Amino acid sequence: EVQLVESGGGLVKPGGSLRLSCAASGFTFSSYSMNWVRQAPGKGLEWVSSISSSSSYIYYADSVKGRFTISRDNAKNSLYLQMNSLRAEDTAVYYCARDYSYGSWAFDPWGQGTLVTVSS
Amino acid sequence: QSALTQPASVSGSPGQSITISCTGTSSDVGGYNYVSWYQQHPGKAPKLMIYEVSNRPSGVPDRFSGSKSGNTASLTISGLQAEDEADYYCSSYTSSSLYVFGTGTKVTVL
Repeated sequence: EVQLVESGGGLVKPGGSLRLSCAASGFTFSSYSMNWVRQAPGKGLEWVSSISSSSSYIYYADSVKGRFTISRDNAKNSLYLQMNSLRAEDTAVYYCARDYSYGSWAFDPWGQGTLVTVSS
Repeated sequence: QSALTQPASVSGSPGQSITISCTGTSSDVGGYNYVSWYQQHPGKAPKLMIYEVSNRPSGVPDRFSGSKSGNTASLTISGLQAEDEADYYCSSYTSSSLYVFGTGTKVTVL
């Protein structure tokens, strides 16, 4: 069964840092691009970042560029999101999602999400 | 990059058909056949329902169909069922920032 499990969320003060992890299983992790998508409480989905299968291509939304860093460890079947200089507006459930298939520009499956709360 | 525009809510009775629109620009929806649709039940992760405008992943009922005309994509749910009550989001590849999501539509089954 294809599965994605996020961890690392929690409460952090403005200006603080947090590192999210996503453990993948049930598929050949090294063959797929991976993504982070977030959803603020009661709001819609927002794409955050994407990384290609070999980490050759990395993209960020303007809202997080310069503060967040996406990375992956194919040997550990894991995806990461290092979040620095956190702001109140970064408060959201963060989902990791796999590319559905190469070139589909769609996300599936998704993890269950991890909540990040930025508050003093 | 502004979010794609979706109606805030759409409703229908069981068995009816409903259509959700998703309006963008020539830099996203209108320029590429990379529109996808997601269903999200309360407290759950989104689920892919349609990719590349009109393709259904395995396991998605054929009651769900997608189409596109110009800068507007559409998701149609035929034979509406109670379990279809959820939030729906469109998404598109965009030349400016890679991905953009729609504002979301709450579907209510009357």
